[in-house]
Formats: sequence, structure tokens, C-alpha cells
Amino acid sequence: NAGVMQNPRHLVRRRGQEARLRCSPMKGHSHVYWYRQLPEEGLKFMVYLQKENIIDESGMPKERFSAEFPKEGPSILRIQQVVRGDSAAYFCASSPGQGEDTQYFGPGTRLTVL
Amino acid sequence: ILNVEQSPQSLHVQEGDSTNFTCSFPSSNFYALHWYRWETAKSPEALFVMTLNGDEKKKGRISATLNTKEGYSYLYIKGSQPEDSATYLCASPSGSARQLTFGSGTQLTVLP
Repeated sequence: NAGVMQNPRHLVRRRGQEARLRCSPMKGHSHVYWYRQLPEEGLKFMVYLQKENIIDESGMPKERFSAEFPKEGPSILRIQQVVRGDSAAYFCASSPGQGEDTQYFGPGTRLTVL
Repeated sequence: ILNVEQSPQSLHVQEGDSTNFTCSFPSSNFYALHWYRWETAKSPEALFVMTLNGDEKKKGRISATLNTKEGYSYLYIKGSQPEDSATYLCASPSGSARQLTFGSGTQLTVLP
């Protein structure tokens, strides 16, 4: 059973470009969480999705950031018109349920904005 | 906003020493407490999910206890080995999504 997959592992973008980060949850998991680790900071929640639904996006910046988890395919975190402050490590986690269930993390995507 | 704190921030021990560190969290509306082990350039690895007051869980040389009434959990490592060197994170679910609020971690270095 493969773990949580994220790609790309490293992504370099220039200011103003778009970044697309992909997350494939563990088999059988229908809950996906995205977290961000800014430089010198801890992991912070961004958004929680179930298949075809955004359940809670309270941790996501209101502008330029969006997320989806379609019926088929990976979850996508999209950042439009990237700025230097978006440089961070973005982690996705999946779980079979909420709360008590363990969240299994992927290896992260390290985004660098030049 | 849930406040999860960990101490110490970093710790150096000699190989073979036993060590422990602390995670504190609000005791009201407690739901669960997660421990993760995070090595550089790897995924955070789930160690334990703890839910019951007085619970103790063990995985090899690593164990954890939970006190929900006073709002703390201890992680113990017996006979530390260099491969135990990592950042140990605790996290508590909160909010409607039960998203994890993480502490800042304890960075453990085990010297050979």
C-alpha cells in the first residue's frame, strides 16, 4: 500500500507564475488535508477536502490560493501569481476519517519563488 | 485558537541515554493528541494517537503518556540511538475539520 504521494518534490517559479501542487492520498482514504510550513515556522493547516468537496478552507489565504479534490485523480493545491512569500514547504496528509484517525503525511513539495 | 506547546525546543543526548519531552495543550474540549516523528527531508511519521486520560502507548523503545485533565503528554525514548535523531511533533485536532494544530517540535540529536 503506497503512502501519500506528492509531486513535484521541488518546484521553482518566478513571481507572477502559477504553481500546481499534487497530492495522491493513500488508497482508501477520502480525506485530504493541506498544511504549509513557512521558513522558520511550524506546520499550519490550510484546507481540508473530501472527494469533490471543500469542507474547511479557513487556513488558506483568501486570494490566489485554491484547492480541489476531484472524483478522479489527485488533490490539487493551486497558487496563482506567486509571490516570494509563498516560498514554503507544502504538505498533504490523508486519513480514512476525521479527528482521531491518524493523518498520514506525504513528503511535501518545496516551492521556491524567485 | 488552540495553543499546543512543546519543550524543550532542542535536546542533545548521548547514545544509550533515556530521554523525555513534553507537549502541553488546552485541557478543555480535548479530543485527541497525535505524536509524529519527523526526519529531515522525509514525511512526518505517525507514532501515536492518544485519546484517553491515563493512556500509555508504546512502539519499540518509544512510549507516550497522556494526562487530559492537566493538559500534557510526555514522550519517552529509552536507550536513545543515533537513528532516533529527528524532530518530534505533537498535534491536537481542532475545528470543524479536526485539522491538526502542531507544536513547534522538539529537535532531538543523539550523539554516538
